[in-house]
Amino acid sequence: ETGVTQTPRHLVMGMTNKKSLKCEQHLGHNAMYWYKQSAKKPLELMFVYNFKEQTENNSVPSRFSPECPNSSHLFLHLHTLQPEDSALYLCASSQGERQTNEKLFFGSGTQLSVL
Amino acid sequence: AQKVTQAQTEISVVEKEDVTLDCVYETRDTTYYLFWYKQPPSGELVFLIRRNSFDEQNEISGRYSWNFQKSTSSFNFTITASQVVDSAVYFCALSEAWTGFQKLVFGTGTRLLVSP
Repeated sequence: ETGVTQTPRHLVMGMTNKKSLKCEQHLGHNAMYWYKQSAKKPLELMFVYNFKEQTENNSVPSRFSPECPNSSHLFLHLHTLQPEDSALYLCASSQGERQTNEKLFFGSGTQLSVL
Repeated sequence: AQKVTQAQTEISVVEKEDVTLDCVYETRDTTYYLFWYKQPPSGELVFLIRRNSFDEQNEISGRYSWNFQKSTSSFNFTITASQVVDSAVYFCALSEAWTGFQKLVFGTGTRLLVSP
């Protein structure tokens, strides 16, 4: 079962477009994450939110803008992306007790293609 | 700095064969946690196991078993009598206690193909 839902599943956009990825979790968690998965590279942590506050920005370019209006929802706003930003973007959530042994629960991801 | 290495990019086996997925990690922290996640074709990573650095007991869960050896900084995963449904990408990951929040470092993953 997955309690983390991501939309859309696929997205194709031009470099001048503005789009948003959405993530919603139904697990009652307080921490949410954005990861980027590119081919043949390790998953890269992008952003972390704990109780709606951003606790980590892993040197992500400003063309990626996260938003966490509440503990259940997380957005990733995209603008003027580059072709190398094409990847699978995964959202995850965890209890948010600031423990480094927490299990992450992942969504199915948004496959993004930038033309 | 922490690092996770999964040297096997892809493994192909025939159903019912046993298969071991290797994971080697690097960390300077004395307290850390190791994880394995499975990513089926549907895309979502699914948690399989978590092990802390003070617990070197091996674990078995059905057809799955994990061998944690601090002496070699390895946390290998064995599937016994593999099945087609085991086909997926498997990720090993590490988190260090000092970060104060869950900051997983993943390996590049091993794609397992189990054919009938």
